[in-house]
Amino acid sequence: EIVLTQSPGTLSLSPGERATLSCRASQSVSSSYLAWYQQRPGQAPRLLIYGTSRATGIPDRFSGSASGTNFTLTISRLEPEDFAVYFCQQYGRSPWTFGQGTKVEIK
Amino acid sequence: QVQLQESGPGLVKPSETLSLTCTVSGGSITSYYWNWIRQPPGKRLEWIGFIYYSGSTDYNPSLKSRVTISVDTFKNQFSLKLNSVTAADTAVYYCAGLGLRKYGMDVWGQGTTVTVSS
Repeated sequence: EIVLTQSPGTLSLSPGERATLSCRASQSVSSSYLAWYQQRPGQAPRLLIYGTSRATGIPDRFSGSASGTNFTLTISRLEPEDFAVYFCQQYGRSPWTFGQGTKVEIK
Repeated sequence: QVQLQESGPGLVKPSETLSLTCTVSGGSITSYYWNWIRQPPGKRLEWIGFIYYSGSTDYNPSLKSRVTISVDTFKNQFSLKLNSVTAADTAVYYCAGLGLRKYGMDVWGQGTTVTVSS
């Protein structure tokens, strides 16, 4: 099973700042099958990024990148609605797995 | 736009079977791999398994011995059965769709809380 480890666990930032979230895979993962999701309290996850592409309707302040087994989600300038929990997921190799999440909170 | 709605009991007794249904509206049930995912309190999301409209399935080995996912194309529904439940199966259960081009799970139900307790 591929284990995804996200860091940091919590990111305390102010609106307008840049957020950099990391997801490291325990084994090789096709970057095409690595996704990022946002989850606000009491809501279902929302797809942000698949591979390095934004999902439909996602603002261009969100971007994803990959280098080997390291994947990064960047939010260029935080908006108030961006303070939430973010998960990475790999679905290239069964069983599909999720990271434990990074909480982006208001500083 | 495809929408998903989970339904089923919110309380299940230990050793019994958890049964949930996800109804697909606004789109074709043939256009996605249909997934069940759960989130126990304070824990990460856990993928349970998926089904394609043809009936082909893939399950998480950690749950495979207790899980059945089925599809009813006439009703535009797919279902989850998890037997011999324990308190560890208490979670929010989501249904979600992964498009055939595998561009991430872009459609989710709102989630339903299932508590295992006597």
